[in-house]
Amino acid sequence: EAGVAQSPRYKIIEKRQSVAFWCNPISGHATLYWYQQILGQGPKLLIQFQNNGVVDDSQLPKDRFSAERLKGVDSTLKIQPAKLEDSAVYLCASSAGHQETQYFGPGTRLLVL
Amino acid sequence: DQQVKQNSPSLSVQEGRISILNCDYTNSMFDYFLWYKKYPAEGPTFLISISSIKDKNEDGRFTVFLNKSAKHLSLHIVPSQPGDSAVYFCAASNNAGNMLTFGGGTRLMVKP
Repeated sequence: EAGVAQSPRYKIIEKRQSVAFWCNPISGHATLYWYQQILGQGPKLLIQFQNNGVVDDSQLPKDRFSAERLKGVDSTLKIQPAKLEDSAVYLCASSAGHQETQYFGPGTRLLVL
Repeated sequence: DQQVKQNSPSLSVQEGRISILNCDYTNSMFDYFLWYKKYPAEGPTFLISISSIKDKNEDGRFTVFLNKSAKHLSLHIVPSQPGDSAVYFCAASNNAGNMLTFGGGTRLMVKP
């Protein structure tokens, strides 16, 4: 069974630029999560989708971050404009249901200069 | 305000000995706790979990203990193996595994 796929694996941009990350969850998984992991810290949940609906986005900085999950499968996370403090690893995870084990992708490492 | 804390950033143990990783939490509403293991350049992988109705859960070499009165949980690895060297995150949920709050992680190094 294929795991959670993410791309790109690495991205370097300058502050005020825009960037987008893509996630393809495990086939059949209804719940999808985006996390931000800053160096030396644990992952922090940004947004949770159940199929194509948002369950929780209370920790998503909505003035610059946006996410969508059209058709309830793939998802994209966008940052516009990026700030220096957005430098982090962005992890996508999926689970069969909202109370099931979460499986993580390898992450996208973002560096904002 | 960190609701889940792992106060030891790193731990070094000898192969074959016991590794004990600790985690403290402050939110008494948490009812489900998990441990994840993370290798470099990979995402975290689920290791073991425990519900608040239990005080111990065992899976092979891995055992998680929960002390609700102290708001403390620990992960025991016996015997430790060099392949166990990784960063371990504890996580907590107040919705049976949904909406995870992670600790900052502990880097375990198992020396041959």
